Amino acid sequence: GAGVSQSPSNKVTEKGKDVELRCDPISGHTALYWYRQSLGQGLEFLIYFQGNSAPDKSGLPSDRFSAERTGGSVSTLTIQRTQQEDSAVYLCASSSLGQGMEKLFFGSGTQLSVL
Amino acid sequence: DQQVKQNSPSLSVQEGRISILNCDYTNSMFDYFLWYKKYPAEGPTFLISISSIKDKNEDGRFTVFLNKSAKHLSLHIVPSQPGDSAVYFCAASAPAGNMLTFGGGTRLMVKP
Repeated sequence: GAGVSQSPSNKVTEKGKDVELRCDPISGHTALYWYRQSLGQGLEFLIYFQGNSAPDKSGLPSDRFSAERTGGSVSTLTIQRTQQEDSAVYLCASSSLGQGMEKLFFGSGTQLSVL
Repeated sequence: DQQVKQNSPSLSVQEGRISILNCDYTNSMFDYFLWYKKYPAEGPTFLISISSIKDKNEDGRFTVFLNKSAKHLSLHIVPSQPGDSAVYFCAASAPAGNMLTFGGGTRLMVKP
């Protein structure tokens, strides 16, 4: 596609439920990133994929968070047993090679609200 | 511990005047810096970048200045336009790094 696509754009869930957030990166981009932005905060790194592998998962806040990438393309971020503090905008980004000096192209994000 | 800080959460400027957004960092390994702009309900978009071998990079109305000794960079927008109203994020990366570390953002409001 022309840009990074994320779905759903908005998700409201009840505390304790599981949610899945989807990211479709720019075609051909090997690197994929998940960030989140909590209210009034900056962008917090969650996980980085190079192809289907995740060499850097250091930003995942707890074992309730997991992510996978299949076919070197689509990625899914799963949050189990959601908590209210998980409420945030979850942003996906992709880049050609995954080098720090590269521009990241971001999707519009998924606004997650945990009630 | 925040490695990239934007100490001003908001800035209001009159149209046509200069906007100066500031960013400080603590990690001396950072060698590449970027600014992103974010409109509501959209993802951040790349604006301008600078390598640590330079102290200035200019692109049209946007100029980024880097002061390595002070671990400080700034983004200048001249002249400011109402369409520049957005949240601006400073970001940094280290050599061989594969991710960007972002600051907390500064909301710029340009008044007509």
